[in-house]
Amino acid sequence: EAGVAQSPRYKIIEKRQSVAFWCNPISGHATLYWYQQILGQGPKLLIQFQNNGVVDDSQLPKDRFSAERLKGVDSTLKIQPAKLEDSAVYLCASSFDRSQETQYFGPGTRLLVL
Amino acid sequence: SQELEQSPQSLIVQEGKNLTINCTSSKTLYGLYWYKQKYGEGLIFLMMLQKGGEEKSHEKITAKLDEKKQQSSLHITASQPSHAGIYLCGADIWGQFYFGTGTSLTVIP
Repeated sequence: EAGVAQSPRYKIIEKRQSVAFWCNPISGHATLYWYQQILGQGPKLLIQFQNNGVVDDSQLPKDRFSAERLKGVDSTLKIQPAKLEDSAVYLCASSFDRSQETQYFGPGTRLLVL
Repeated sequence: SQELEQSPQSLIVQEGKNLTINCTSSKTLYGLYWYKQKYGEGLIFLMMLQKGGEEKSHEKITAKLDEKKQQSSLHITASQPSHAGIYLCGADIWGQFYFGTGTSLTVIP
């Protein structure tokens, strides 16, 4: 079966610009996660969706980050405006349900903010 | 501060050697996941431990969960170059999912 797809794979922007990432989870997976992984650290959960509803966004910097999953399938994560400290790999993952059993991860989007 | 601390931070071993990676929680663990990450690829789920004292093995990788010590260990026997990558533990702590700090493993042929 096809895995989790993410695009773009790489993005370089200047601070204060906006950027958007896209994720298409594995077909049939109800739960979708966005993680931020800063170099040298483990991934940090930004937001978790169950179908098109938000389950947990407690660690999402809501002043600049937003995410949506309107049809309960693919999702977009936006940063507006970007800061230097947003440079990281943004990982998308999906699982069949919320039990967090077996999350499947996409290849990630590498963001560099200059 | 990190909820899940891993040690060591990085490891370089000769092919064929055994190694252990530890994951320690600041809070009680009710379950723990181990993942592997290779550069340019997504995270790979290795195994999940749900009960204290539980031990699981997959090929040459064994993981144990010690709830009393709030710790899990990942042991690789007879390491191979294919084992190289970053190993991450993850756990649901008080309703929030956290990942560990990561251990970078290099296996020298």
